[in-house]
Amino acid sequence: EPEVTQTPSHQVTQMGQEVILRCVPISNHLYFYWYRQILGQKVEFLVSFYNNEISEKSEIFDDQFSVERPDGSNFTLKIRSTKLEDSAMYFCASSDSGGSNGYTFGSGTRLTVV
Amino acid sequence: GQNIDQPTEMTATEGAIVQINCTYQTSGFNGLFWYQQHAGEAPTFLSYNVLDGLEEKGRFSSFLSRSKGYSYLLLKELQMKDSASYLCAVRDRNDYKLSFGAGTTVTVRA
Repeated sequence: EPEVTQTPSHQVTQMGQEVILRCVPISNHLYFYWYRQILGQKVEFLVSFYNNEISEKSEIFDDQFSVERPDGSNFTLKIRSTKLEDSAMYFCASSDSGGSNGYTFGSGTRLTVV
Repeated sequence: GQNIDQPTEMTATEGAIVQINCTYQTSGFNGLFWYQQHAGEAPTFLSYNVLDGLEEKGRFSSFLSRSKGYSYLLLKELQMKDSASYLCAVRDRNDYKLSFGAGTTVTVRA
């Protein structure tokens, strides 16, 4: 079964440092997303990406965040200057045009900012 | 925006049935999804409803009433491995993002 791949699985970084979280969505999917889940809290939408541009972003996705699809397979989330409150599990997801088969989530990157 | 409510916790016995309710208020509606999430893992897709009625998929069924802003997920013949968090998520009519409820933690006891 096709899957969404995320690397790294764990990332520890110092406050103020930049991190890049990487994702390889399912190859024939057209829509890509980043979500985050702070420990013990709900899954929160960050950003959606379609046709090589951001289609929607949440209030969380401020200027310290950016996304990129540098080639035909990778989809990255960059956090420019990490803060303690950025510590969370970050999930990448992808979907086909209708989404009726569900949105497939990657296994996540656990980011810890110290 | 979306306002999605579901119970925090439920407990049931192995072999029994559990129904997890979800109510939502949304400015636009384009589908309701149920996901299962084990601790520390990614959400996995269980079901999708966009029209009113019941969708059955093995031991899991999901129901939707758009006029009431209501859905439920029915888990039958509960197994220990069904102990997990169950997430209700709504898709907005105007975009493709999912908005998630806080999740219902189901504990299955022997």
